Amino acid sequence: DQQVKQNSPSLSVQEGRISILNCDYTNSMFDYFLWYKKYPAEGPTFLISISSIKDKNEDGRFTVFLNKSAKHLSLHIVPSQPGDSAVYFCAASVRNAGNMLTFGGGTRLMVKP
Amino acid sequence: DVKVTQSSRYLVKRTGEKVFLECVQDMDHENMFWYRQDPGLGLRLIYFSYDVKMKEKGDIPEGYSVSREKKERFSLILESASTNQTSMYLCASSLGGGGYEQYFGPGTRLTVT
Repeated sequence: DQQVKQNSPSLSVQEGRISILNCDYTNSMFDYFLWYKKYPAEGPTFLISISSIKDKNEDGRFTVFLNKSAKHLSLHIVPSQPGDSAVYFCAASVRNAGNMLTFGGGTRLMVKP
Repeated sequence: DVKVTQSSRYLVKRTGEKVFLECVQDMDHENMFWYRQDPGLGLRLIYFSYDVKMKEKGDIPEGYSVSREKKERFSLILESASTNQTSMYLCASSLGGGGYEQYFGPGTRLTVT
């Protein structure tokens, strides 16, 4: 049973608009969440993270929101650019249990010019 | 910049062959990880290591083994490759403890025929 789920396998957005990628988790012990971006034929690269003591973290065009009661997080990209087209993975961990990450299945984002 | 390198980008092996995938990181990270990535399933943890000569099973260790003789090097071994091990294999490293992002290598696309 997947503990981290990304229910949308793909998302298409017009350049300049907002992209919203969603992620749900079931394990209430998770206290640290990350988003990774992956281009074809490359390894994932870290994008942004959030601790469970926060409900929002912002870094330039990227904002991650965490709703602990709903066990839901989302990544907002504003404005979206064609170079943002990639597969996005959310990941979760329990900080005091080492640094193992549990990944979602990924969402392929396509930003159309 | 953290650099994680993997010995091969593409590999084709026959069923029953022994396969070695090697990963090297240059940032003196304590933790190293091996994942496989399959469509819709995200990244699944095969094995990880938090110190030299230490290893822990991940979610899908069956059919795999690992070796960590030096801090910077983590090898994944397929003792007898099977077609269901055709996948993208990703190595990652991170600082010790919890709450740190993992840095990934470019991946090895392994095909077992």
